[in-house]
Amino acid sequence: EVQLVQSGAEVKKPGESLKLSCRVSGYSFTSYWIGWVRQMPGKGLEWMGIIYPGDSDTRYSPSFQGQVTISADKSISTAYLQWSSPKASDTAVYYCARLGASGSSLDYWGQGTLVTVSS
Amino acid sequence: EIVLTQSPGTLSLSPGERATLSCRASQSVSRTYLAWYQQKPGQAPRLLIYDVSRRATGIPDRFSGSGSGTDFTLTISRLEPEDFAVYYCQQYGSSLSITFGQGTRLEIK
Repeated sequence: EVQLVQSGAEVKKPGESLKLSCRVSGYSFTSYWIGWVRQMPGKGLEWMGIIYPGDSDTRYSPSFQGQVTISADKSISTAYLQWSSPKASDTAVYYCARLGASGSSLDYWGQGTLVTVSS
Repeated sequence: EIVLTQSPGTLSLSPGERATLSCRASQSVSRTYLAWYQQKPGQAPRLLIYDVSRRATGIPDRFSGSGSGTDFTLTISRLEPEDFAVYYCQQYGSSLSITFGQGTRLEIK
């Protein structure tokens, strides 16, 4: 069974570093792209970027380029999303999702991680 | 970047009725790279339709997708109580760029 399990909720002060994880199981981690999606409170879905764990090829949405870093650790089948200096405006739920075999849609999703950044 | 505009913003219908949700792209979508997702409160999105008209695994056949170019439609033939949710369209473009529509809220009338 394919599963993407995300790390738990985070509460951070502005400027405190933050790293979210997405551990996958049930398929070959290195064979599928993993993407990240933001959902701000009461709002829609926003595409952040994607990584291919096989070779760490990473692409970012222009809106998030330079704001976050996406990475992956093949040895533990885990993808990451991190901020060096989060802001209050980064408060949101973040989802990881697998780009499926069709190559164009997100077929499996993590449960989401709620991030609250507040002083 | 392709912009997806969904309409209506909110759709009020009763169980048993037919729902038609629209997604319009600012330019032609690559090949058939258009998908639909359902999201219920407090849950992650769920893939319903990919490649315009292919149902994802386990999705009931009351859900169907159609369209081409810049105009796409998700149809729910007979609404069940569990179908009331928010629906998003999504396109996939070159260099792994992905965009979502702003969503249509399907509510019980």
